[in-house]
Amino acid sequence: AQTVTQSQPEMSVQEAETVTLSCTYDTSESDYYLFWYKQPPSRQMILVIRQEAYKQQNATENRFSVNFQKAAKSFSLKISDSQLGDAAMYFCAYRRTNNAGNMLTFGGGTRLMVKP
Amino acid sequence: EPEVTQTPSHQVTQMGQEVILRCVPISNHLYFYWYRQILGQKVEFLVSFYNNEISEKSEIFDDQFSVERPDGSNFTLKIRSTKLEDSAMYFCASSQAESGGIQETQYFGPGTRLLVL
Repeated sequence: AQTVTQSQPEMSVQEAETVTLSCTYDTSESDYYLFWYKQPPSRQMILVIRQEAYKQQNATENRFSVNFQKAAKSFSLKISDSQLGDAAMYFCAYRRTNNAGNMLTFGGGTRLMVKP
Repeated sequence: EPEVTQTPSHQVTQMGQEVILRCVPISNHLYFYWYRQILGQKVEFLVSFYNNEISEKSEIFDDQFSVERPDGSNFTLKIRSTKLEDSAMYFCASSQAESGGIQETQYFGPGTRLLVL
């Protein structure tokens, strides 16, 4: 079974600085998708960024980018120019491409605090 | 921008009672999901649904749970006889396609917080 691990329960960053959230996963599959979701205090899960495993190029979305290391099974999220609105729980998630049910497997989350 | 909506936002029920959680997926989406998050724990997959039948379900999704798409817009999760351990945030999600780039991305609703007393 696939597992997703986020080793940092909490992280803190100064406003306007850069922070990196870690995620590792375990799978025997060669093709899959990886996601980062943000969960603000409102509790709604918001997609931040996605990465297809077959793509070598790291995904970017404005201030958000990933460092995808397939061999190491690592998928970290970098937030540049951190803003107060970035404060939230961040969840890393995995999905197989040949998964008939499209099930997402989530990590335990990292709480990001942004200091003004 | 289209959103997944869920009602109610909060529900309190007595142990043993039946609850129905409602979701309205994004209108052109074909795949629907339920996840739950017990306070302080991981988000866990419950079930996925396509073409009026369950595609996949987890071990959590036992006989106490059922899902239904009663009309063209709603997607419901029923818990027949609630237990204390069913207390959690329940998230509905939908995606446009099973696979194929951005179309398979799952979009989540705001959740229903269920408290079983």
